[in-house]
Amino acid sequence: GAGVSQSPRYKVAKRGQDVALRCDPISGHVSLFWYQQALGQGPEFLTYFQNEAQLDKSGLPSDRFFAERPEGSVSTLKIQRTQQEDSAVYLCASSLGGQGRYTEAFFGQGTRLTVV
Amino acid sequence: AQSVSQHNHHVILSEAASLELGCNYSYGGTVNLFWYVQYPGQHLQLLLKYFSGDPLVKGIKGFEAEFIKSKFSFNLRKPSVQWSDTAEYFCAVNSWGSQGNLIFGKGTKLSVKP
Repeated sequence: GAGVSQSPRYKVAKRGQDVALRCDPISGHVSLFWYQQALGQGPEFLTYFQNEAQLDKSGLPSDRFFAERPEGSVSTLKIQRTQQEDSAVYLCASSLGGQGRYTEAFFGQGTRLTVV
Repeated sequence: AQSVSQHNHHVILSEAASLELGCNYSYGGTVNLFWYVQYPGQHLQLLLKYFSGDPLVKGIKGFEAEFIKSKFSFNLRKPSVQWSDTAEYFCAVNSWGSQGNLIFGKGTKLSVKP
């Protein structure tokens, strides 16, 4: 399809395990965002890419969280040594414009991560 | 720091009732304002947005929102809800001219009884 695609849709990880979450943005979209949505909360910003450059990672909660977008398209959010508080839905969004030029952000369906 | 407050956690209405969902934001500068909707099992979708100009904004599916700068509010309204409007609604803001990352409220779950 033409939308933002995320995989896997669901992930169960044992505490201490590393996980990798994938986002395929809409083709040609310059901006890519990751958000974390805990149960009963709104999405919270994690990090922002403009093409392959990670311009803002101020929302990453700890150094166990790492994101990359090496070729300016697909992005991966990696969480090392997962903990129970990492359980949440991880949302990816992409938009056509770059920094300072607002264009509509389109969201994927998210990856629901459960750490047991 | 920017923040968004949504007053109602869960709203239950009967079909044809009128809807108003409250949203207040905290930010000293110029902001862009958004309402997103998430239908059950689906992804977040943009309902409407306000950047500048007419403070009464019309969106899809008969929704509208009014920006009241003096009250830092951006309430969502619909004159007559339908069962298909059952969803979770999120108010969001970002700084004018910023990279575009959104600050979301906690969301309001709307249940419409047929």
